[in-house]
This record gives sequence, C-alpha cells and structure tokens, in this order.
Amino acid sequence: AQTVTQSQPEMSVQEAETVTLSCTYDTSENNYYLFWYKQPPSRQMILVIRQEAYKQQNATENRFSVNFQKAAKSFSLKISDSQLGDTAMYFCAFIVRTGNQFYFGTGTSLTVIP
Amino acid sequence: SQTIHQWPATLVQPVGSPLSLECTVEGTSNPNLYWYRQAAGRGLQLLFYSVGIGQISSEVPQNLSASRPQDRQFILSSKKLLLSDSGFYLCAWSVLRGGGRFWFGPGTRLTVT
Repeated sequence: AQTVTQSQPEMSVQEAETVTLSCTYDTSENNYYLFWYKQPPSRQMILVIRQEAYKQQNATENRFSVNFQKAAKSFSLKISDSQLGDTAMYFCAFIVRTGNQFYFGTGTSLTVIP
Repeated sequence: SQTIHQWPATLVQPVGSPLSLECTVEGTSNPNLYWYRQAAGRGLQLLFYSVGIGQISSEVPQNLSASRPQDRQFILSSKKLLLSDSGFYLCAWSVLRGGGRFWFGPGTRLTVT
C-alpha cells in the first residue's frame, strides 16, 4: 500500500529563519513523482516544488528546496528566509509513474511569526 | 496553458436538497480528473477519480456520485445532501506523460444547513 506520513501537525518559525517540514512515504515502486503543495487561508492549492524520483539532484525553487533521500523514503521541505506569506498548510504527496492516484499526507500547518 | 475551472465558488444548500458541482479543464486532452473533499482544518479525502469519459472510480461509499460526460468535464452530484457533506471540494487534474503534473482548481465551499 502507498502511504504518506507527515509527523508534524503544526510548526512555527520566526520570520527570516529557516524551517524544515518532514515527509516520509512508503511504496514498493521505483519510479514516482513527489510534490509539496501549499494551501494558504484562501484554500487554493499551490504547487511549491516537484521532484522526480529517478533524479538524484534535489529540486530547488527559489527559497524552497527539498532533501530527497530515496533509500530512506524521505522527502523533506526546507523553507529559507521565511516570510509571512509562507503561513499555510503544507501537504506532501506522491504518485507512482504508472499509477492514477495521488497520495497525500495529512498536512503540516506552518505559522510564520513576525 | 492549462486551466481548471470550478463553479460555483460558494454554495449554501439545505439538507435533503440536490447538488451539482462542475469542473472543466482547458489546454489539455485526456487528463485524469479527481474530486477531493476537505473538512475544515483537515487533510484531503479522495472521493472519485476518472481516467476517461464514463470511467469513474469511487474511493469512499457515500451519497455522492460523479460523472464525466466529456473528456474535460467532471461533475460531482448528490440527490439528497447530508449535513456531513459540508466542506471544501477540490477538483484536480493530472497527466503523467511529460513528467507528471497535478493541478487543483480553485475549490467550492459547500455549507449544508
């Protein structure tokens, strides 16, 4: 069975500091895609970053980067120079390359403190 | 570019009334389509997904149903709403060709009174 676990229901960080959100997953497949989504108070789901499992290099998008450890099945999100606009719920997700279903974690609520 | 539309944005319906939420996608063909529900402060619950016209997979047995009458149209329905149907409904689409992409619509906030 495919599962995604986000063990931190809530986190907070001071503005301009760095925070890491953790995510682990379980799959027996070898080819898949991993995602982090942000859901601000507007509730619009926004793609933050995407990683292809066959790529060794960690994905980076401006202040957002991931630490992808395939053997450990870990996919953490690092937010550098945190801004007030980063306050949101963050969801980790993955899909097997040959599959149809996306699997989401339960989310981490991040609050950036001014 | 690809765009996904959902309507209405907000809906207030009495218990026992019918429901129809519509989702359409532009800029792609033969996408996988999904309906998710999110209760306040909670995670995403997959309700239905579709890999093609007329092909619907249900993940959670309940009083909701889904239909895909056209390639880029996905409809969520109910004959009689329950209070527990209140929530935030998100439509999403994906294509795995080209590297795996998954996009959400703006959502519909449903309140059943």
